[in-house]
Formats: sequence, C-alpha cells, structure tokens
Amino acid sequence: QSVLTQPPSVSEAPGQRVAISCSGGSSNIGDNVVNWYQQLPGKAPKLLIYYDNLLPSGVSDRFSGSKSGTSASLAISGLQSEDEADYYCEAWDDSLNTVVFGGGTKLTVL
Amino acid sequence: QVQLQQSGPGLVKPSQTLSLTCAISGDSVSSKNAAWNWIRQSPSRGLEWLGRTYLRSKWYSDYAVSVKGRITINPDTSKNHFSLQRNSVTPEDTAVYYCARDPSSGWYWFDSWGQGILVTVSS
Repeated sequence: QSVLTQPPSVSEAPGQRVAISCSGGSSNIGDNVVNWYQQLPGKAPKLLIYYDNLLPSGVSDRFSGSKSGTSASLAISGLQSEDEADYYCEAWDDSLNTVVFGGGTKLTVL
Repeated sequence: QVQLQQSGPGLVKPSQTLSLTCAISGDSVSSKNAAWNWIRQSPSRGLEWLGRTYLRSKWYSDYAVSVKGRITINPDTSKNHFSLQRNSVTPEDTAVYYCARDPSSGWYWFDSWGQGILVTVSS
C-alpha cells in the first residue's frame, strides 16, 4: 500500500492528452515538492518533472506537472507510442521521515 | 553528464551480507550540493528509498525508518563511489537496487540513476 496513490493504469489514443493523478496528504504532497519519473521496461526511472512543475533539460515540453493541495498531476500531451511506460510520483514525507513513491501508473497508448 | 555505474553480486544467500557499489563519473561524491542515494524496487514493495550519504560541514548518512539499523551507506572519496551494505539478508531483500543522485541540496529528487542490479536472495 503506497503512501501516494496513483491509478494503476490509464490509456489514450495517439495525439491525445492524458493526465495521471497522485494523491497524498498534508505531510507529503501538501508540504513538499512533487517529482515525477518515467520508467521504460527494464530500465531505471528517469526524472520527468521536479519541484512540482519544472522540466529537466532534455525532457519534452509535452510533459507538464501541477499541484494543488495534497494532490498532484502529470499531463502528457500529443501522446506518442514511445510514451508507453510506467509513471511514478514521489515526495518527501515529514511524518515518516522518508521519501515516498506512488505505486505507479501504466500508460498504454492505444 | 553524470553517470552512475553499479556493481555487486546478483545472488546472495539468506543471512549473508549484500554489498553494492556505485561508481560516479561527471560529479564528485564529495560535492556539497548533492546527495547520493540507494533505492530499490520490487513487485511487492514498489519503489522504496533506502537512504543516502552526503557531505556538508561533515559526512552524513540518513536512512529510511524501515531499514534503519540494518543497512549502511558509506562514501569512498578515494574511488569517488559510495556503497550499500545490508547484513543478514532475507528473501524480502530480493529487488532491483538502484543508486541515484539528488542534486537539489535537500529537496529529494533524483536526476541520475545507475543501471540497476537485480539482487536475488536465495539458497
């Protein structure tokens, strides 16, 4: 049972936009920055969004992040087949004194 | 560009010690702006942060409560790497282990990752 809650899967057609939610609490998302990672099969996670909504150098601007209260969201526009991957949210938790991750969302591009 | 190269055994017997190393290129383990982390991933536990080591006024190591007292993370400045040691492993320690850099001086995001090592605990 992950501290941060994500939908197990989402799917959308190529070219469309999809949003992946991440729900937490006051001790994690509500009080700390949220980061997002993309993990392709058999690969290490890759930083996609940091500090709620910032893009690392080299990451496509089709990816965007937002946060409101104790929830965060990752949006991907102009879906491409190469976006098929698992996506994870992450934040520091003040109560648990640890980094916490979401359970991951598998994106299928139909 | 920072690269992290992991090394260590893929198979460890129960009750033995697991030791993994993460070699850093393109940055320094002694950087006062970064922290060096271990994270593992398993189907049952998902992504799990284990801990980190970093240099500020002195060396620090922080650990997740779930593993505190059972793992040690140490820097090696002469080799520019850092290591993870877990004594008395059990089958629950079976996972893919990653090392990762946090460049944020305390915000906890991970911008560079090692390739991952699948560690299986089995007799």
